[in-house]
Amino acid sequence: GQQVMQIPQYQHVQEGEDFTTYCNSSTTLSNIQWYKQRPGGHPVFLIQLVKSGEVKKQKRLTFQFGEAKKNSSLHITATQTTDVGTYFCAGRRNNDMRFGAGTRLTVKP
Amino acid sequence: DAGITQSPRHKVTETGTPVTLRCHQTENHRYMYWYRQDPGHGLRLIHYSYGVKDTDKGEVSDGYSVSRSKTEDFLLTLESATSSQTSVYFCAMGQGHPYEQYFGPGTRLTVT
Repeated sequence: GQQVMQIPQYQHVQEGEDFTTYCNSSTTLSNIQWYKQRPGGHPVFLIQLVKSGEVKKQKRLTFQFGEAKKNSSLHITATQTTDVGTYFCAGRRNNDMRFGAGTRLTVKP
Repeated sequence: DAGITQSPRHKVTETGTPVTLRCHQTENHRYMYWYRQDPGHGLRLIHYSYGVKDTDKGEVSDGYSVSRSKTEDFLLTLESATSSQTSVYFCAMGQGHPYEQYFGPGTRLTVT
């Protein structure tokens, strides 16, 4: 069955450093979504990527979808303490959507 | 997110007892989902519903059943709780593929 792997599992950065999390699927995806979950909170939708090679930006966040539609990345430029949380990708193939295990980001002020 | 609630928010129960978790939405979304979240596993789909009385199994459905008698309510039942079902349970709603999902605040369930 479909599997979505996400790395790294944890990332600790100094405030102002950049951060990247990667998502890889065993199968070609229809689309990929990214969610953020603050500590003690619930996942919140960030963005969806659909097209091969697509790049979208939200302020300091840059999302990419690979050319083969099997991988994706989320890059945060100059992290801030408000970026703390766990970032999940969710890859969809037909009616089946699978979440990655998430990358927990901590930021030292 | 506003428009979706879960009850109870916390529950401690004993092995072998039945447990029902409730999800309620006020957004008239067609799709509703139940996930469990465990360290190292992310979010895993238990069951989902695509309309009143229309449900289907997810990735980890064994030991769970669901019911949806009204658009706004989606119930998750553990017929006989086991310690392996200790987890945080999230309900979500949405308009289905390819749209995003909106998650409830979660229920922390502990089975002793």
